[in-house]
Amino acid sequence: QKEVEQNSGPLSVPEGAIASLNCTYSDRVSQSFFWYRQYSGKSPELIMSIYSNGDKEDGRFTAQLNKASQYVSLLIRDSQPSDSATYLCAVFPGGSYIPTFGRGTSLIVHP
Amino acid sequence: KAGVTQTPRYLIKTRGQQVTLSCSPISGHRSVSWYQQTPGQGLQFLFEYFSETQRNKGNFPGRFSGRQFSNSRSEMNVSTLELGDSALYLCASSSAPQGARETQYFGPGTRLLVL
Repeated sequence: QKEVEQNSGPLSVPEGAIASLNCTYSDRVSQSFFWYRQYSGKSPELIMSIYSNGDKEDGRFTAQLNKASQYVSLLIRDSQPSDSATYLCAVFPGGSYIPTFGRGTSLIVHP
Repeated sequence: KAGVTQTPRYLIKTRGQQVTLSCSPISGHRSVSWYQQTPGQGLQFLFEYFSETQRNKGNFPGRFSGRQFSNSRSEMNVSTLELGDSALYLCASSSAPQGARETQYFGPGTRLLVL
């Protein structure tokens, strides 16, 4: 059973701080990794994708991938109350087009 | 450009009935994926269609089926509904050949309640 684990939270950070969200996965040959944001009562929206080890930055968001340790993380710099949402990690095992999603981490950014 | 649309938005059915949900992808998108989201199991992949062919299928029973039309619109059908089928059903479309492995855009979902 391929698993993707996320701490359900909530993770509470003050406005302006860095929020760090983590995701671990069990399938060692996983190749594609995605972070989605889902506001309460809304559908998920893609924030970042990452395929290679290292960091990938997009605005205030940085995705970090470490395949040897089988984890992928999302850093949100200068967190804003509007970032308060559930963040879902999605992993595609090697050669598969079927994603496995984590249960999501609830992030609360308080003023 | 209009986003992904799903109809109906809300649905109440009773056990044993069947239901058909509809999804219209973003214009030009040929890949449509369906997902089930529940508090207990999270977001789970149902299946993906590309150019009217089911390309990938998740681990769901045969009661869950789908199809895609030549205009890329897609429907999913659930027969013999069970209480556990109560969920938010999400459709996502992608313009990329690799579908869900590329950027995909989710619709607002259909919330199904089975009584």
